[in-house]
Amino acid sequence: NAGVTQTPKFQVLKTGQSMTLQCAQDMNHEYMSWYRQDPGMGLRLIHYSVGAGITDQGEVPNGYNVSRSTTEDFPLRLLSAAPSQTSVYFCASSYHRGVETQYFGPGTRLLVL
Amino acid sequence: AQSVTQLDSHVSVSEGTPVLLRCNYSSSYSPSLFWYVQHPNKGLQLLLKYTSAATLVKGINGFEAEFKKSETSFHLTKPSAHMSDAAEYFCVVSDRGNTGNQFYFGTGTSLTVIP
Repeated sequence: NAGVTQTPKFQVLKTGQSMTLQCAQDMNHEYMSWYRQDPGMGLRLIHYSVGAGITDQGEVPNGYNVSRSTTEDFPLRLLSAAPSQTSVYFCASSYHRGVETQYFGPGTRLLVL
Repeated sequence: AQSVTQLDSHVSVSEGTPVLLRCNYSSSYSPSLFWYVQHPNKGLQLLLKYTSAATLVKGINGFEAEFKKSETSFHLTKPSAHMSDAAEYFCVVSDRGNTGNQFYFGTGTSLTVIP
């Protein structure tokens, strides 16, 4: 199993540009989520999905969109990038909603100029 | 509401001495608690988890944590620090209520190990 994979590893954007961060898992996990990590703030939940076709907002959803057309993939879209979205983004998955252990991808480092 | 407080943002220990990383939580329900470790420029790796079984939980790499409900604490310990333990450590709480599908992260503790 590849586990949770994320692409790209690093990206530089200009303010106003859009892009999609890719996340895929091959463990047949129902639950997937996106976090951003900023210095001194831990990880904060952006969006999550409890299954294909079902998504919901987390703590910091503004400026981001998600969709879940398949069990495996959970892309995160930045509609119009802002410098405040400079961060490290982590995708995670777990077998089921609830209190299962989450497995994290390696992260995408995003710089918005 | 759930929250996690990691009491120290930075901890520095000498190699071979004990490690103590402190975590307090608040939860409306019976929580599950986790410790994750993040090495520089890496993703997060699960160290250990507590899910209402034994209150003393053993994890990987010699780490363990004790769940103390009366103190709402879940401190992480290791008897003897190794250089490879230098990393960022996150305490995480997940409850069993309606929002059980969400994890709540502490702000992290950076562990430095001095040779």
